[in-house]
Amino acid sequence: AQSVTQLDSHVSVSEGTPVLLRCNYSSSYSPSLFWYVQHPNKGLQLLLKYTSAATLVKGINGFEAEFKKSETSFHLTKPSAHMSDAAEYFCVVSDGRGGQNFVFGPGTRLSVLP
Amino acid sequence: GAGVSQSPRYKVAKRGQDVALRCDPISGHVSLFWYQQALGQGPEFLTYFQNEAQLDKSGLPSDRFFAERPEGSVSTLKIQRTQQEDSAVYLCASSLRRVNTEAFFGQGTRLTVV
Repeated sequence: AQSVTQLDSHVSVSEGTPVLLRCNYSSSYSPSLFWYVQHPNKGLQLLLKYTSAATLVKGINGFEAEFKKSETSFHLTKPSAHMSDAAEYFCVVSDGRGGQNFVFGPGTRLSVLP
Repeated sequence: GAGVSQSPRYKVAKRGQDVALRCDPISGHVSLFWYQQALGQGPEFLTYFQNEAQLDKSGLPSDRFFAERPEGSVSTLKIQRTQQEDSAVYLCASSLRRVNTEAFFGQGTRLTVV
């Protein structure tokens, strides 16, 4: 079975400093991996996805993530945080085999301090 | 429409009442998913359709929950005899294919059982 661990439930950074949100996954097959962002009272929005092409994936709003198979990780980074980045972030794994196609991690709440 | 549409956005039900939540997926999307998101938690899988076929309903918490997608497009999630623990945001998502494609999420229906 596939699963996702997000190591930090809450991350707080100052505006203009780097962001690192950690994600580790477990999957029996070659997975696809996604990061979604959820702003308060808004729907889930796709930030970026990895589907077995380049291991360094660039997404929207300056975010990127690197797939490291040896570490089973897919950490999300951004060089410089903006106030508007404050939201809940979910790492998602999919191995495409069956019904539970997208398995969510528990989420990391990102706070950005002025 | 351009995205996944869910209705109603908010629903207040008295305990014991039946409710029906609607999802209009993106036109042409084969796969449709329902998730339940409790306050402060990540989305939890409920059920999955490929066209009109319900391929996985392993996440439905009890036999009070029922989902259908009779013509392979619009889907309805029905909850019978609602209980307070059913209070959550119910998210619908659709994807173009089953494998290695991202899911697009609706804004959800917030169900409050009083």
